[in-house]
Amino acid sequence: NAGVTQTPKFQVLKTGQSMTLQCAQDMNHEYMSWYRQDPGMGLRLIHYSVGAGITDQGEVPNGYNVSRSTTEDFPLRLLSAAPSQTSVYFCASRPQGSDTQYFGPGTRLTVL
Amino acid sequence: SQQGEEDPQALSIQEGENATMNCSYKTSINNLQWYRQNSGRGLVHLILIRSNEREKHSGRLRVTLDTSKKSSSLLITASRAADTASYFCATARTGGGNKLTFGTGTQLKVEL
Repeated sequence: NAGVTQTPKFQVLKTGQSMTLQCAQDMNHEYMSWYRQDPGMGLRLIHYSVGAGITDQGEVPNGYNVSRSTTEDFPLRLLSAAPSQTSVYFCASRPQGSDTQYFGPGTRLTVL
Repeated sequence: SQQGEEDPQALSIQEGENATMNCSYKTSINNLQWYRQNSGRGLVHLILIRSNEREKHSGRLRVTLDTSKKSSSLLITASRAADTASYFCATARTGGGNKLTFGTGTQLKVEL
């Protein structure tokens, strides 16, 4: 199993541009989440999904959209990038009935 | 807002010594988890302790939980240079739907 994969690893955007961060898992996990990690702030939950077709907001959802059309994929869309969205983004998944989350390697995003 | 606060923020020890880091949280929880993050990588699950447990062991790791004080500690015994990483506690709040809230982390450096 590849586990949780994220693309791209690095991305530089200009203010106002849009883009999609990709996340995929091959473990058939029902639950998937997106976090952002900023210096000195730990990880904060952006959006999460409890299964295909079901998504909900986390702690810091503004400026981000998600969808979950399949169990495997959970893309995160930045609609109009802002410098405040400069961060490292992590995708995670976990199976139903387990509390352990499996993290992807992260995407480092810089918005100029 | 951050549920977990870790102490110390940074810790430097010699190989072979024990490392202790602490986590405090604010609300009632179902479980508390510890994760490790190597530089530039995603988080890796280390150990989970449930609210009705007081102590748990896994290899060189020992976790304690004091729900009356809303605090947990992670002890790494006989540390190795490979233990150099950031360590995060994460709590699953009661009634929170198994969403995790992460602390700010402790940076551990183990020197030869």
